[in-house]
Amino acid sequence: AQSVSQHNHHVILSEAASLELGCNYSYGGTVNLFWYVQYPGQHLQLLLKYFSGDPLVKGIKGFEAEFIKSKFSFNLRKPSVQWSDTAEYFCAVNGRFGNEKLTFGTGTRLTIIP
Amino acid sequence: EAGVTQFPSHSVIEKGQTVTLRCDPISGHDNLYWYRRVMGKEIKFLLHFVKESKQDESGMPNNRFLAERTGGTYSTLKVQPAELEDSGVYFCASSPLTGAYTEAFFGQGTRLTVV
Repeated sequence: AQSVSQHNHHVILSEAASLELGCNYSYGGTVNLFWYVQYPGQHLQLLLKYFSGDPLVKGIKGFEAEFIKSKFSFNLRKPSVQWSDTAEYFCAVNGRFGNEKLTFGTGTRLTIIP
Repeated sequence: EAGVTQFPSHSVIEKGQTVTLRCDPISGHDNLYWYRRVMGKEIKFLLHFVKESKQDESGMPNNRFLAERTGGTYSTLKVQPAELEDSGVYFCASSPLTGAYTEAFFGQGTRLTVV
């Protein structure tokens, strides 16, 4: 069965610090990978996605993630965080075909201190 | 273009009562998914509609949960009777039926509290 592990449950950083949130997955086949973000009081929205091609993907608001197939990882990074990045971040995976359901990690709550 | 809309945003009910959650997907999206997040845990899949048909309902916890999507437009998720462990945030998502490279768009969720 597929699973996603997010190692950091709550991360607290100061503004301008660099960010890396870990995500590892287990899935028997070719995958699509996603990072979703939920800002306080808002809906889940897509931050970035990997389907194929360049394993380094860039998303909105200066975020990027790197797919490392050999490590089954899809870590999220941002070189300099802002207070407005305070949110909960979810890594998710699904299979390559057929509009499959998403399997999510437990989420990482990120708090940025001004 | 309107996004995925869920009603209500919050619901507090007593154990044993019935609650119906509604999801309006993005117009034209044939895929509709329900997910649930129990506090502190991961977002878990409940079921998947393609148009009005249930494609995958492997995540439905038990027969107290009934999902419908009559006419292939909006969907409802009814919990009857509600139990304490049903508390959580229920998310709906939709996507077009266009093949492999598609992303799901989520609603804001319904926070259900059973007391």
